Amino acid sequence: QVQLQESGPGLVKPSQTLSLTCTVSGASISSGSFYWNWIRQPAGKALEWIGGIYTNGSTTYNPSLKSRVTMSLDTSNNEFSLKLTSVTAADTAVYYCARAMLTLYFGSGVLDYFDYWGHGTLVTVSS
Amino acid sequence: SYDLTQPLSVSVALGQTARITCGGNSIVSKNVHWYQQKPGQAPVLVIYRDTNRPSGIPERFSGSNSGNTATLTISRVQVGDEADYYCQVWDSRTEVVFGGGTKVTVL
Repeated sequence: QVQLQESGPGLVKPSQTLSLTCTVSGASISSGSFYWNWIRQPAGKALEWIGGIYTNGSTTYNPSLKSRVTMSLDTSNNEFSLKLTSVTAADTAVYYCARAMLTLYFGSGVLDYFDYWGHGTLVTVSS
Repeated sequence: SYDLTQPLSVSVALGQTARITCGGNSIVSKNVHWYQQKPGQAPVLVIYRDTNRPSGIPERFSGSNSGNTATLTISRVQVGDEADYYCQVWDSRTEVVFGGGTKVTVL
């Protein structure tokens, strides 16, 4: 059974960098055709996809967040990470990590559906 | 950008059928996926690629996709089906897109 677990600081000061890690068990992040993703949800609001990283390390980000987001893989620990810079109160949310299946789009693999999710971790941006 | 439109809320009597719509331009050309999210919990995939149910999801959950509207149908609604439901697609310009979510209330 695939399991994902988010970890990281629950409180970040404005203008600083939010850093989260997702530890995966039951599957190897360096094998198979999957994207490993971060998704967030402000209280009472809809889900927002932040970005994903493929098993070969290539990344794809939400255009609205692209300038502030970096994702990376740590295959030795079977983890992947998120860094979001210059945070403001608008970045306060529950952050989820999730695995995405792929589908083919004109011969290229693109994100399809999210089949496994972590429980989520609340990150508050406040001084 | 590609937008998905869902009704804010749907109310349904116990044992009846709930239909949750997800509107998008020519959405029939896309794979639509649906998630159920109960309060304080992570989303759970209930329908993928328009009509497919993951293992463990009851047959009462079904999906369809036509024209500009995809629909999640919940038959014989139970109290345990009360949740927020989100549709999701992949778009070539905006990548992953989620709908605004629909709150299902069982009367």
